[in-house]
Amino acid sequence: DTAVSQTPKYLVTQMGNDKSIKCEQNLGHDTMYWYKQDSKKFLKIMFSYNNKELIINETVPNRFSPKSPDKAHLNLHINSLELGDSAVYFCASSQDLGGGYTFGSGTRLTVV
Amino acid sequence: KNEVEQSPQNLTAQEGEFITINCSYSVGISALHWLQQHPGGGIVSLFMLSSGKKKHGRLIATINIQEKHSSLHITASHPRDSAVYICAVRGAQKLVFGQGTRLTINP
Repeated sequence: DTAVSQTPKYLVTQMGNDKSIKCEQNLGHDTMYWYKQDSKKFLKIMFSYNNKELIINETVPNRFSPKSPDKAHLNLHINSLELGDSAVYFCASSQDLGGGYTFGSGTRLTVV
Repeated sequence: KNEVEQSPQNLTAQEGEFITINCSYSVGISALHWLQQHPGGGIVSLFMLSSGKKKHGRLIATINIQEKHSSLHITASHPRDSAVYICAVRGAQKLVFGQGTRLTINP
């Protein structure tokens, strides 16, 4: 049973398209996150939700919109994809803001 | 300059060697995390520290809050320890990551 599952694992798409990445956790955690890992393997926070409420929104383009229908799900929708959006996107969860993290396996997005 | 600096950036060692990876940070934190990213890309949380020392198997993590420094040690290293090790500090609500240390253990 996967604790934090992301789909799809790989996503190749053309510039200008709109795509979504889904994330689900079955750990009962209250807080979920989206991180972006660039080509240099540097991880950076994008968004964080606590009990479906947005609590962190870093300086991410408006083309990125997170949606949390319930506290077990945090999806990431990206509009008008650009070449620079190519990266690995990781979903993670923690029991609360101070807890340990569990990461999903990542989604490798390639924009061509 | 990044708020979290790791050293070394790359480390190659022989099987059995004692490994130390260092992490220094410049911000106030509530906790420090050590993560392991496998060659396949998955990220695993190894430790969460707010003081002192923690041990799990052959892995030991220490933190000195006054000096804003943490170390991750691996005893009796093995090729399966080859991975990128990432230090991350929790400030106000979010994690800030170091650039990672790529460890390669040769048989």
